[in-house]
Amino acid sequence: DAGVIQSPRHEVTEMGQEVTLRCKPISGHNSLFWYRQTMMRGLELLIYFNNNVPIDDSGMPEDRFSAKMPNASFSTLKIQPSEPRDSAVYFCASSLTAPFEAEQYFGPGTRLTVT
Amino acid sequence: SQQGEEDPQALSIQEGENATMNCSYKTSINNLQWYRQNSGRGLVHLILIRSNEREKHSGRLRVTLDTSKKSSSLLITASRAADTASYFCATDVFNTGNQFYFGTGTSLTVIP
Repeated sequence: DAGVIQSPRHEVTEMGQEVTLRCKPISGHNSLFWYRQTMMRGLELLIYFNNNVPIDDSGMPEDRFSAKMPNASFSTLKIQPSEPRDSAVYFCASSLTAPFEAEQYFGPGTRLTVT
Repeated sequence: SQQGEEDPQALSIQEGENATMNCSYKTSINNLQWYRQNSGRGLVHLILIRSNEREKHSGRLRVTLDTSKKSSSLLITASRAADTASYFCATDVFNTGNQFYFGTGTSLTVIP
């Protein structure tokens, strides 16, 4: 298996632009997670899905952030409009079972820079 | 605020020595997990220990959990240069729903 796939790996955009991050979880995994990592705040859980259904989005910082999982093999995290403080590395992870009951497999991350 | 705090923030040892990292957390947990992150890469799962377990081993890794003290430790024995990475604990907390919190991390450098 190729593991969790994220695209793009790097994204540089201007403030106010829409940004869409993409994730393909490992086939057969039931749970999907979006995280953000910054020096100031460390690793933060933004939202997670179980069987394609959003379970908890309390970590999403603002209404500018939204996430979808239209099917078991694809998820997106969208920021609209983007701001410089959104600059971070965004990770997607998936796991085989119910959220947090088993190990999570992380993708390589998308490094987002908003200028 | 962070659920997990790790100590030390940075650790530098010689190859072959043992490395011990500690994690303290604030509220009751379902399980605690340890992850490793190499610079610029995604995280890799190391060990999961459940709240009713006290110790787990995996190869050169040993994890302990003391729920009375709300703390865990990760021991890496006979360290290698390839162990150089940041190590994070993460806790599965059930409140009004499940939440997952990563600690602040320990940066380990193993000098060849």
